[in-house]
Parts: sequence; structure tokens; C-alpha cells
Amino acid sequence: DSGVTQTPKHLITATGQRVTLRCSPRSGDLSVYWYQQSLDQGLQFLIQYYNGEERAKGNILERFSAQQFPDLHSELNLSSLELGDSALYFCASSLEGAIRQPQHFGDGTRLSIL
Amino acid sequence: GESVGLHLPTLSVQEGDNSIINCAYSNSASDYFIWYKQESGKGPQFIIDIRSNMDKRQGQRVTVLLNKTVKHLSLQIAATQPGDSAVYFCAEAGNMLTFGGGTRLMVKP
Repeated sequence: DSGVTQTPKHLITATGQRVTLRCSPRSGDLSVYWYQQSLDQGLQFLIQYYNGEERAKGNILERFSAQQFPDLHSELNLSSLELGDSALYFCASSLEGAIRQPQHFGDGTRLSIL
Repeated sequence: GESVGLHLPTLSVQEGDNSIINCAYSNSASDYFIWYKQESGKGPQFIIDIRSNMDKRQGQRVTVLLNKTVKHLSLQIAATQPGDSAVYFCAEAGNMLTFGGGTRLMVKP
């Protein structure tokens, strides 16, 4: 058990809808990262938050947004969903803001767009 | 952009043998590398990391080797067990953590 909790485990919705994925980092970790894993793209970094502030941005679409709250949990919001957004979404956390340290992953949210 | 790649999508080994999983990276400026293991239905699990000022690092039954000259990284698993069956990813740290495509390790009993 990594200590990172993601909810829900599965989400099924339709095109055009909006969903929110939630992540609770390991106790004591200040950074939260979001990744998308699809069959044809592998693990793609989306965005990082450190202590409530956006720290780094990767291949995140404008339809997607995230935030980290004062209690350090994070939410990833996906809107105007398209079939291609179907994927596994992982959250990871680490102690500090620097990239060069192990990130610990949750077990993901599987998003299916019908 | 930066890219990390794996050449062998599937590696099949006999239980008890040693496994070697290889990874090539393209960004010569990367100075930190990680190996992750992902089992079915789970998130990636940290195995071992190495910084570019080292050539080799050992963990419990695992060794990571880094060859900066040819930009190559390998993960060696000693005495491979059925529980080692999973997909293994390497990742490099540049501006962000960039993951390779993964290698599936299958352990035959």
C-alpha cells in the first residue's frame, strides 16, 4: 500500500460530461502529481502541485484542470469529455517539490467514456 | 521533446533465473532515473532510483546500472520469482518525470 488514495476507482460517463477525480497524498507529502495512462500513450505527466501551488505543467489539455487544497488533497477536473479521454488517471505524491525524488502512486481511477 | 524508450515489450524468464530489463533514454541532461513496477490493476510501485553521479546502485534483489556514455539504463532482478511478473517502467527526470513505454516481465514456473 503506497499510502496514496484515489477515488473513485471506476467512473463511467458520456461524451460532453464533466467529472472530478480525487486524490489524497501520503501523510506528510506536500507534492501531488497527476498522470494519464492510456494504451497508446503510456504514462503521461499532466500537472504537479506543491503545497497548494501549481509547480509544473505537462501535457494537460485546456479542458482539464486541477487544484490542491489546504489539507493537501487534490482534485483533477475533466470537462467536455471525449472518447479519447478514456484512460487510467493516476495520482502520485512526494515529500518535496523537486522532481528528483521517488513519487508514490495510487491505484488510479479508470475513466470510461461511452 | 524528451523521450525514454524500451526496446523489448515482453521478457519471459524461468523462475530462479536473473532478469535484465533495458531502457534507452534520449536526454543527455537527465540526471535522475527511476524504475517502477506495475502489477495488473495497481499503480506503479517504486523499485529503485539512481542519480547520474553513480553507475550502479543495489537494492534488495535488484540492481540498476547506468551507462551515461550510451544513455542506457538497466534493471537486473536476481533469482526472479513469480511475484516479479509485472510491467516495468523506467523514467528519467528532466523538467518532468518522463516514462518509457514499459516491458512486461513474465516468469515461468
